[in-house]
Amino acid sequence: QAVLTQPASLSASPGALASLTCTLRSGVNVGTYSIYWYQQKPGSPPQYLMRYKSDSDKQGASGVPSRFSGSKDASANAGILLISGLQSDDEADYYCMIWYNSVVVFGGGTKLTVL
Amino acid sequence: EVQLVESGGGSVQPGGSLRLSCGASGFSFSTYVMHWVRQAPGQGLEWVSRISHDGTVTSYADSVKGRFTVSRDNARNTVYLQVNSLRAEDTAVYFCARDLNLEFFDYWGQGTLLTVSS
Repeated sequence: QAVLTQPASLSASPGALASLTCTLRSGVNVGTYSIYWYQQKPGSPPQYLMRYKSDSDKQGASGVPSRFSGSKDASANAGILLISGLQSDDEADYYCMIWYNSVVVFGGGTKLTVL
Repeated sequence: EVQLVESGGGSVQPGGSLRLSCGASGFSFSTYVMHWVRQAPGQGLEWVSRISHDGTVTSYADSVKGRFTVSRDNARNTVYLQVNSLRAEDTAVYFCARDLNLEFFDYWGQGTLLTVSS
């Protein structure tokens, strides 16, 4: 079982709130980790969006709109990227990442479609 | 302006070797940890390797351990990935990325495509 699991795709309407989940494998406690989020558009490298560990321990990259925020669902053992007021420009692939046993692990990515 | 430019990709037969390069500019290269991340066509990101700022500490994904070697030349502001014993599943765009404080990758190159095919 993969360390990080993301749904392959998500569709949402312009102006809506999108909730992208990143579920940690059983036994890997989401509370322990900072979850990093990247956005990747076709033909471009990924771009760092933010880090979220808790409401008191988080950081967004310079220039990332406040519409992007992070959260966790401890009951689901998952990190969450929230995008409010969806815009067509938000259509992209989104990847979560953690440092696990001193190596980097990426989730499989979620393709967000805004339609 | 921070720039990372990968080169050295191409088409190689299974079992072959290649050396990928990543030239850096616009920052103090010798003070940063650097990573290689790959992305197979139409697939997600896979972390490949990491090298410390001075080149003394390296780590690898299990999928490439024993076949790939990362190194750097701080005088030339370049990080390398020597890829040996190549397999079809190594076909991917290989990105180099700068590590900020062993946290996240704040700058990425545009990538270089490695295709392993007979």
